[in-house]
Amino acid sequence: DSGVTQTPKHLITATGQRVTLRCSPRSGDLSVYWYQQSLDQGLQFLIQYYNGEERAKGNILERFSAQQFPDLHSELNLSSLELGDSALYFCASSVGRTGGSEQYFGPGTRLTVT
Amino acid sequence: AQKITQTQPGMFVQEKEAVTLDCTYDTSDPSYGLFWYKQPSSGEMIFLIYQGSYDQQNATEGRYSLNFQKARKSANLVISASQLGDSAMYFCAMREVNNAGNMLTFGGGTRLMVKP
Repeated sequence: DSGVTQTPKHLITATGQRVTLRCSPRSGDLSVYWYQQSLDQGLQFLIQYYNGEERAKGNILERFSAQQFPDLHSELNLSSLELGDSALYFCASSVGRTGGSEQYFGPGTRLTVT
Repeated sequence: AQKITQTQPGMFVQEKEAVTLDCTYDTSDPSYGLFWYKQPSSGEMIFLIYQGSYDQQNATEGRYSLNFQKARKSANLVISASQLGDSAMYFCAMREVNNAGNMLTFGGGTRLMVKP
């Protein structure tokens, strides 16, 4: 158990809908990262937050947004869902903002868009 | 451009034997970190081992060791005495550090299958 929690574990929804994925980092970790794992694209970095502020952005679509709250939990919002958004979404956390701190992954949320 | 390359999509190894999973990387940054993660069929990503670009010695963690050859830009994972529970996907990743963040770039993975 990495100490990172993600809810829900599974999510099935229809195209055009909007969903919210939730992540709680390990106790003491200030950085939260979101990754997407799909058959087409592999594992891709989406976005990083550190202590409530966006710090780095990867291949995140405009239909996707994220935020980190004062209690450090984070939410990833996916809207206008398409079939291609079906993937395993991971949250990871680390103590620091930049190098020198390992990232520990949560169990993931498996999103299926039908 | 792809920065992490894992050339072995799938590998078999006999139980109790050692196996090497290949990983090559590309970066112009002198400071970087290399990671290996294990993803069993249940889906979670399990951190195995880390090597910093300035580390003088190869990293080891139990049965896992990282064969770091900086000049060749390779960071191969060696698993000694393979066990059935080692059957999983293995991902090599590189940390790119910039002024903003700390993202990981992953390779395509290698599926390891341990035969009894």
